Amino acid sequence: NAGVTQTPKFQVLKTGQSMTLQCAQDMNHNSMYWYRQDPGMGLRLIYYSASEGTTDKGEVPNGYNVSRLNKREFSLRLESAAPSQTSVYFCASIPQGDTEAFFGQGTRLTVV
Amino acid sequence: GENVEQHPSTLSVQEGDSAVIKCTYSDSASNYFPWYKQELGKRPQLIIDIRSNVGEKKDQRIAVTLNKTAKHFSLHITETQPEDSAVYFCAAGDQGGKLIFGQGTELSVKP
Repeated sequence: NAGVTQTPKFQVLKTGQSMTLQCAQDMNHNSMYWYRQDPGMGLRLIYYSASEGTTDKGEVPNGYNVSRLNKREFSLRLESAAPSQTSVYFCASIPQGDTEAFFGQGTRLTVV
Repeated sequence: GENVEQHPSTLSVQEGDSAVIKCTYSDSASNYFPWYKQELGKRPQLIIDIRSNVGEKKDQRIAVTLNKTAKHFSLHITETQPEDSAVYFCAAGDQGGKLIFGQGTELSVKP
């Protein structure tokens, strides 16, 4: 099992460009998450999908959209990147609500 | 909205001493409280968790306590070692699947 796989690992965007961060898990988990990590601010929840076919906003959803393509895949889209979206993005998955979250290796995104 | 506050933001201890990190949460629906350790450049990994029907849980040198009435929970690390140096995150989750993290504590254990 590969666990949680994120692509790409690194990305540099210009302000106004769009891109999609991909996340896939092969553990048959129900719930999937997108977090951003900034120095001193911990892991902030952007969006989550408690089950296939549902998505919900987290703490910082503005400027992002998500798609739960199927049970395995949960993508995060930046329609018009801004420098404030420079961050490390982590995808995570959980078998069910109150169990361990498994994280991907992270995507380091820089918007110039 | 839901919020998890974590203190302190940095903590420095001597090897062999104990370290305590505290968190408070705001959402009464929270019923799951995990702690994650993140080493530099790596992904967060679960070290211990506690559910709302339990007040305390211990795993070797690590223990967590939960006070649901006061909405706070704590991580205790005893006999700290240099390899315990990392960033530690608390989190609060509910049955709907929402999982909110604290701001993190950078623990430094000096030999």
